[in-house]
Amino acid sequence: DVKVTQSSRYLVKRTGEKVFLECVQDMDHENMFWYRQDPGLGLRLIYFSYDVKMKEKGDIPEGYSVSREKKERFSLILESASTNQTSMYLCASSSTGFGSYEQYFGPGTRLTVT
Amino acid sequence: GENVEQHPSTLSVQEGDSAVIKCTYSDSASNYFPWYKQELGKGPQLIIDIRSNVGEKKDQRIAVTLNKTAKHFSLHITETQPEDSAVYFCAASKGQAGTALIFGKGTTLSVSS
Repeated sequence: DVKVTQSSRYLVKRTGEKVFLECVQDMDHENMFWYRQDPGLGLRLIYFSYDVKMKEKGDIPEGYSVSREKKERFSLILESASTNQTSMYLCASSSTGFGSYEQYFGPGTRLTVT
Repeated sequence: GENVEQHPSTLSVQEGDSAVIKCTYSDSASNYFPWYKQELGKGPQLIIDIRSNVGEKKDQRIAVTLNKTAKHFSLHITETQPEDSAVYFCAASKGQAGTALIFGKGTTLSVSS
C-alpha cells in the first residue's frame, strides 16, 4: 500500500520562527510536491522536485524554501514564519513511469502561526 | 498564468440523484485532467482521470467528459450515496502530463439521505 507521511498533523509556531515540515514517501517516486490548502482557494503549489537536489518554484513560492537530499524525503522550510502562513500543508508524490501520473497525498499538516 | 475554474463551489443533492461538477482550464498544452476526492481529515485521493486523446471515461457510478476545443471537463456522479459527501477537486496538468498540476478551488458535495 502506497504511503506518504508527514511529520506532524498539527503544529503551532510563533511569528519569526524557522519551521520545518517533513514529508516521506515509500514508493520510490521521482516527483514530490508541496501544496498549501486554504478555504475557498483550493490547493496551490508551493514547490516541487523532479529528482534529488532538484527543485522548481510553484505558483506561490514566496516565503518558502525546500530541500530534497534523499529521494524519499522532501522538506518545506518557512525561513521566518508569519501569520499569513497559517494554513494546511499537503505533500504529494508521483512517479514518472509511463502512463502513471497519479499524485499520492499525505494527510496534511495544519500549521498555526501566532 | 494558467488557471482552472471550478463550479459550483457547493452542491447539495438527495441520495440517488446525480451530481455534476464543471471545470474550465486555460492552458492549451494541458493534456491530463484528474479528479480528486478529499474526505474530512484526509489528503485528496484520485478517483478518476482522463487524457486529452479521450472524450469520456467511466468507472461505475463516476464518469468524466472532456471537450478540448472548449477547454471544459466535467465530473458526473450518478446514484449518489451519503458516502459521496466530500470535497472534489478538478485539476489540469501544467503542460504535458507527468508534471505539476493546477487545481480548481473545490466543490463541497453534500448528499442527504
